[in-house]
Amino acid sequence: KAGVTQTPRYLIKTRGQQVTLSCSPISGHRSVSWYQQTPGQGLQFLFEYFSETQRNKGNFPGRFSGRQFSNSRSEMNVSTLELGDSALYLCASRGGVSTGYTFGSGTRLTVV
Amino acid sequence: GENVEQHPSTLSVQEGDSAVIKCTYSDSASNYFPWYKQELGKRPQLIIDIRSNVGEKKDQRIAVTLNKTAKHFSLHITETQPEDSAVYFCAASISGNTPLVFGKGTRLSVIA
Repeated sequence: KAGVTQTPRYLIKTRGQQVTLSCSPISGHRSVSWYQQTPGQGLQFLFEYFSETQRNKGNFPGRFSGRQFSNSRSEMNVSTLELGDSALYLCASRGGVSTGYTFGSGTRLTVV
Repeated sequence: GENVEQHPSTLSVQEGDSAVIKCTYSDSASNYFPWYKQELGKRPQLIIDIRSNVGEKKDQRIAVTLNKTAKHFSLHITETQPEDSAVYFCAASISGNTPLVFGKGTRLSVIA
């Protein structure tokens, strides 16, 4: 059974650009969550999608957005990139409310 | 919203000794408490979780205890080995309803 797949693994972008990250959950998992991981702040929740609907949203500016497709794949977009957006972006999926989250390997975004 | 505090931030133990990491949470409605292990450059992996209807759970050398009254839970690793060296994160949520809120992590070093 394939795990959570995130693409790309690494990205380097310039300030002001925008970026789209992709996450394919474990087959059958309909819930996808996104987290930002930085050395100083740890794992910060961005948003959660379930059956194409955003169920929860963290305290991030509107530059951060996401969506989920009918096949449960999810994308997150960051517009007008800032240096502080440099981080590891992790996606996690779960199969039901009583199951744990499985994380992908993440996309490491560097903004220069 | 939920707030999770984790201590200590770093922990060094001799191989074979025990390690204990403690977390406190603020929302008394939280009922799901997982622990994740993240090795350098890798994704967080779920190692054990506990729900509020039990006070303790064990899996080989790893155990988690939960004190709902005091709103704290702890990870216990016995007979530590060098491969236990990693960053450990605790988290809390209201299962099925709210996202996981993570502690800032504990960097465990097991010295051979």
